[in-house]
Amino acid sequence: SQTIHQWPATLVQPVGSPLSLECTVEGTSNPNLYWYRQAAGRGLQLLFYSVGIGQISSEVPQNLSASRPQDRQFILSSKKLLLSDSGFYLCAWSAGADPSTGELFFGEGSRLTVL
Amino acid sequence: GQNIDQPTEMTATEGAIVQINCTYQTSGFNGLFWYQQHAGEAPTFLSYNVLDGLEEKGRFSSFLSRSKGYSYLLLKELQMKDSASYLCAVTDSNYQLIWGAGTKLIIKP
Repeated sequence: SQTIHQWPATLVQPVGSPLSLECTVEGTSNPNLYWYRQAAGRGLQLLFYSVGIGQISSEVPQNLSASRPQDRQFILSSKKLLLSDSGFYLCAWSAGADPSTGELFFGEGSRLTVL
Repeated sequence: GQNIDQPTEMTATEGAIVQINCTYQTSGFNGLFWYQQHAGEAPTFLSYNVLDGLEEKGRFSSFLSRSKGYSYLLLKELQMKDSASYLCAVTDSNYQLIWGAGTKLIIKP
């Protein structure tokens, strides 16, 4: 069966520090991968999605970046965090040729607090 | 612009029935999803509608009217564990998934 795991689950970082969130998927090949951010009282905001190794699409201009060094690994990074980067970050995967036409499977989430 | 509207919060009684509505205005339509999200956890898939009508899955049912830009999620025989947020999401003509802010459902004994 397929599983998705992301880490760390919780982190508190000072403004200006770097960030690295990692997500891995097991039990499937060539998944579509996504990074979302969820702010309180707002809908999920798509940050990045990837349909293959090295293929990253950015949905929102920001100081975050994403990389997909391996088929089932997706990394969210920042060189210098801002206060506004605080939130609940979710990694997700889906199968299928077109992103966002199929069911999404989410990781456990990473709660980031920037102080 | 694209918009998904759903009530912010609803309260219902254990054992009862509740209907959570979702209206959408999007550039095109390629399907509507409902997800359940317990506090502090990731969303989990509940249902998918692409054609008009009612899809039933156990205690949960989801209805879609594309002409009205409207869907609802119906939860029967409510249990305390159904306390969660329910997210409505629509895939537009560019296959972008547009998310509503979610409806927080509170179940009282």
